[in-house]
Amino acid sequence: DTGVSQNPRHKITKRGQNVTFRCDPISEHNRLYWYRQTLGQGPEFLTYFQNEAQLEKSRLLSDRFSAERPKGSFSTLEIQRTEQGDSAMYLCASSLVSAGPQETQYFGPGTRLLVL
Amino acid sequence: AQSVAQPEDQVNVAEGNPLTVKCTYSVSGNPYLFWYVQYPNRGLQFLLKYITGDNLVKGSYGFEAEFNKSQTSFHLKKPSALVSDSALYFCAVRASSAGNNRKLIWGLGTSLAVNP
Repeated sequence: DTGVSQNPRHKITKRGQNVTFRCDPISEHNRLYWYRQTLGQGPEFLTYFQNEAQLEKSRLLSDRFSAERPKGSFSTLEIQRTEQGDSAMYLCASSLVSAGPQETQYFGPGTRLLVL
Repeated sequence: AQSVAQPEDQVNVAEGNPLTVKCTYSVSGNPYLFWYVQYPNRGLQFLLKYITGDNLVKGSYGFEAEFNKSQTSFHLKKPSALVSDSALYFCAVRASSAGNNRKLIWGLGTSLAVNP
């Protein structure tokens, strides 16, 4: 399968614990996006990378959230000291920047986080 | 400000009947428009996009969408609905003048229920 993959698919954690999610993009894609989605809402932009550079981070993203893409391939999203409000689906998408403004983002299956 | 509106939270249609899921947008400049579908507990799947040219765009699974510049709309259509089309549908837009900022602006989604 050459699509975007995310691990784990589900995560249950206790409030205050740290969690880390991984995203593997489509292999030739140089852009990688993280979104958060809660029930009944559209995807909410968190951050994105071009190769290993983090180009933008949402103002909604608190200091407890950090993302990396150290070698320009896979990316990790870490949430420290989780809160119940962090419960959501975390979506990763990748794209090819050379496509220009018409680039299409391709999504992974998501990681569903439940903070108890 | 850029925005996307999906005026219907839910659309119900009988199997075999045509379906329409509505989307209107507001951007400065020319829009790039996208439709995605999301099945329960899954990520978003790309259906189709409008870049330029023919106002009728054909996509995956028999879906098509019609771009109407004067009405700033991009409604998703299918001539004959299937029960398996039941899912959440998202419309998204990006301005052609977006430059290096390729973030998509998302609608809140429309839940489509196809009844047997």
